[in-house]
Order: sequence, then structure tokens, then C-alpha cells
Amino acid sequence: AQSVTQLDSQVPVFEEAPVELRCNYSSSVSVYLFWYVQYPNQGLQLLLKYLSGSTLVKGINGFEAEFNKSQTSFHLRKPSVHISDTAEYFCAVSVLDDKIIFGKGTRLHILP
Amino acid sequence: DTGVSQNPRHKITKRGQNVTFRCDPISEHNRLYWYRQTLGQGPEFLTYFQNEAQLEKSRLLSDRFSAERPKGSFSTLEIQRTEQGDSAMYLCASSLGLAGGYNEQFFGPGTRLTVL
Repeated sequence: AQSVTQLDSQVPVFEEAPVELRCNYSSSVSVYLFWYVQYPNQGLQLLLKYLSGSTLVKGINGFEAEFNKSQTSFHLRKPSVHISDTAEYFCAVSVLDDKIIFGKGTRLHILP
Repeated sequence: DTGVSQNPRHKITKRGQNVTFRCDPISEHNRLYWYRQTLGQGPEFLTYFQNEAQLEKSRLLSDRFSAERPKGSFSTLEIQRTEQGDSAMYLCASSLGLAGGYNEQFFGPGTRLTVL
């Protein structure tokens, strides 16, 4: 079975500062990896995905993530955050094209 | 261009009542998924359909829950004899479901259920 651990439930960061949201996964088979974002009172939106190939993937809104197979991690980063990045971020995995298994989420608080 | 739609957006009911939610996927999407998201948690998979066939059900889907997709288009999720523990956001997602590769799941806005 697969599982996802998001190490921080909340991350406060000052506006224009860099941020890293941590994610570790567990799986005995190869997986697809995702980061989803949920803005207040909105639905889930795909931020970026890793399917294969280059371990550094770039997504929307200036976010990027790096797949590290040996550490089974898929941390999300942004060099400079804006107030509009306030949201909940979910790391997720799926085996091939199957159902998605989500982490518990990390709430990103942007401080002025 | 319409995305996945869900109705109603909010539902308040009393314990013991039955409720039904509807999901309309993106046109021509063959796969339809239901997830449940409780407060402070990530979404959890409930069930999914390939066209009208229900291919997998989670252990979370007790016998009080039933989902249908009769014509391979919209889907309904019914909860009978609701309990307070059923209070959650119910999310629907759809994908093309083409064989042999990755198919992105697109999520609807969800139906928030509150059981009093």
C-alpha cells in the first residue's frame, strides 16, 4: 500500500521569502507524484506532477518540486512567495493511472 | 468550457436522513472518482467508475453509501441513514481514462455535507 506524509501541518513564511513544503511517500512500486493546491473556498487544482524523466519538475505560479527516489521525498519549493499563495497544499501519489492517495495537507500562511 | 460540476454545493441534514449528491464530469471523460475530505485531512478515495462500471470501492464506503453512474455520464452518491461522522466535503473528479498512460484528474468544487 502507498502512503504520503506531509511533515508540517502549517508553515508560516514572510512575503517574498522562500518556502519549502516537505513530503515523503512510501510505496513498494513506482508511483506518480503530485502537488495539489486548494485555495480558500475553491476546489483542488493540480500544481505540478512527476511522471518520469527529469527529477526537477516545474509547475504553475512559480512552484517547483524535486523527486528524490533514495529519500522517497518530493519537496515543494518557491523562491519568493506572495500573499496570493495562501492556501492548503497537498502532496499525493498514485500507482500508474489509479486512484490518488493524498497527504494530510500543509497550510501555508503568508505573513506581511 | 465547463469543468466538473457538483450539486448541491452545501447540504445540511439531520441524523438519520438520506442524502444524494450529483456529479457532472467533463464531457467525454470516461472515468469518474469520488473522494471524501474531512476537516484537517486530505481527500480520501471512496470509489471510481470507468464509464458505467464501478471498478473499485474503498473500505471507507460502508453499506450505507451507494454510488451509481447509470449512463456513463453523471454520477450520484447516496448516503442512507446519515451519521454525524459523515459530515465532510465530498469531491468528485473525472479523467479521460485512456489506456496506456497518465490521465489527469480534474476536481469539482465539492459538496459540503453537515449532519446535525
